[in-house]
Amino acid sequence: TQLLEQSPQFLSIQEGENLTVYCNSSSVFSSLQWYRQEPGEGPVLLVTVVTGGEVKKLKRLTFQFGDARKDSSLHITAAQPGDTGLYLCAGWRGSARQLTFGSGTQLTVLP
Amino acid sequence: NAGVTQTPKFQVLKTGQSMTLQCAQDMNHEYMSWYRQDPGMGLRLIHYSVGAGITDQGEVPNGYNVSRSTTEDFPLRLLSAAPSQTSVYFCASSYLDRVPYEQYFGPGTRLTVT
Repeated sequence: TQLLEQSPQFLSIQEGENLTVYCNSSSVFSSLQWYRQEPGEGPVLLVTVVTGGEVKKLKRLTFQFGDARKDSSLHITAAQPGDTGLYLCAGWRGSARQLTFGSGTQLTVLP
Repeated sequence: NAGVTQTPKFQVLKTGQSMTLQCAQDMNHEYMSWYRQDPGMGLRLIHYSVGAGITDQGEVPNGYNVSRSTTEDFPLRLLSAAPSQTSVYFCASSYLDRVPYEQYFGPGTRLTVT
């Protein structure tokens, strides 16, 4: 059973387009993290959101945590080929001391 | 700092063989964990540890054992390898209960069981 549903699974867009990736759950998380993974490497943290309704910006990337702390989104403005990669959301359940990952979104930005 | 190191990087096993995947970190992190990554399924937690001498099961623990005798090392043992254990394995470490709860991942071990 996948606690975190991530969509879409694959996304192929042209350079300059905008996109949004969604991460949804029926469970409440203490915090929600977004990672990016390159082929042959481990995931690397992009951002952590902790407070319900929190919005964080990282250059052209905007991350939002849902008010109920059950869902999150990643919005990329004016995507560039360098944004290509696997994006993973992950929810931290503090009481269980466990990090649960979504299934990932493989993003390809074409020049 | 070397961060999180994993060995080996690649491994091929025959069904029924046993082996140990090594993981070490030099950041004095309390929390260490093992994940497996399969296509279309993200990363799934196998086992984790909140400190030396303490381990617990994650989402997919069957067929794997762990121990944590020191803060630095967290080896993963496959007792009797099966083709279903073909996967990429990642070890991660982090501080416990400290924002931003960032997990530092090793480079992974690609395991094939024939």
